[in-house]
Amino acid sequence: DIQMTQSPSSVSASVGDRVTITCRASQDISTWLAWYQQKPGKAPKLLIYAASSLQSGVPSRFSGSGSGTDFTLTISSLQPEDSASYYCQQGNSFPITFGQGTRLEIK
Amino acid sequence: EVQLLESGGGLVQPGGSLRLSCAASGFTFSSHAMSWVRQAPGKGLEWVSAIFNSGGRTYYADSVKGRFTISRDNSQSTLYLQMHSLRAEDTAVYYCAKPLRATDHYFGMDVWGQGTTLTVSS
Repeated sequence: DIQMTQSPSSVSASVGDRVTITCRASQDISTWLAWYQQKPGKAPKLLIYAASSLQSGVPSRFSGSGSGTDFTLTISSLQPEDSASYYCQQGNSFPITFGQGTRLEIK
Repeated sequence: EVQLLESGGGLVQPGGSLRLSCAASGFTFSSHAMSWVRQAPGKGLEWVSAIFNSGGRTYYADSVKGRFTISRDNSQSTLYLQMHSLRAEDTAVYYCAKPLRATDHYFGMDVWGQGTTLTVSS
């Protein structure tokens, strides 16, 4: 199985800050990586697919990069509504696996 | 509007069985692979199972293999998860989810239901 490791597990930042979350796969997954945002009590929301493609309707302050085993999600200018948990997910092979999540808090 | 609506959750004793349903609308269900994903209280997301459009190909997480069965009724646009030999660690919110691309899961899952809660406890 492919293990997905996210860091940090939690981060606190101020409005307007640039925030980066990293995700590492235990083996090469090409660009078959997705990022999700999840707010408490809500279903996950797809932000980024294929490592760097912005899902329709997602603000352009969100961006993704990487290939192979190392990936990043960047929020260029943090907004209050970005307070949430973020998960990476590999779609390269079954079983599909998620990172353990990163909790983002707004200071 | 594309929608997924789960149902069937509840309180079950350890060792019991339950079937979850997910009613799909707003897209061509029969063309799409589908997945179940769960989230235990206070924990992260865990993929559970996937089924391809015809139902001929299914995949399971090791944690549920041999106990859970995914199926679909394309005529009713409904996805199912039959669960047997339930354990306390199966307690979670169960989401059904549609992959962005109909034929595979490479691009992640773009539509999720609101979730249905399973509690396994005596």
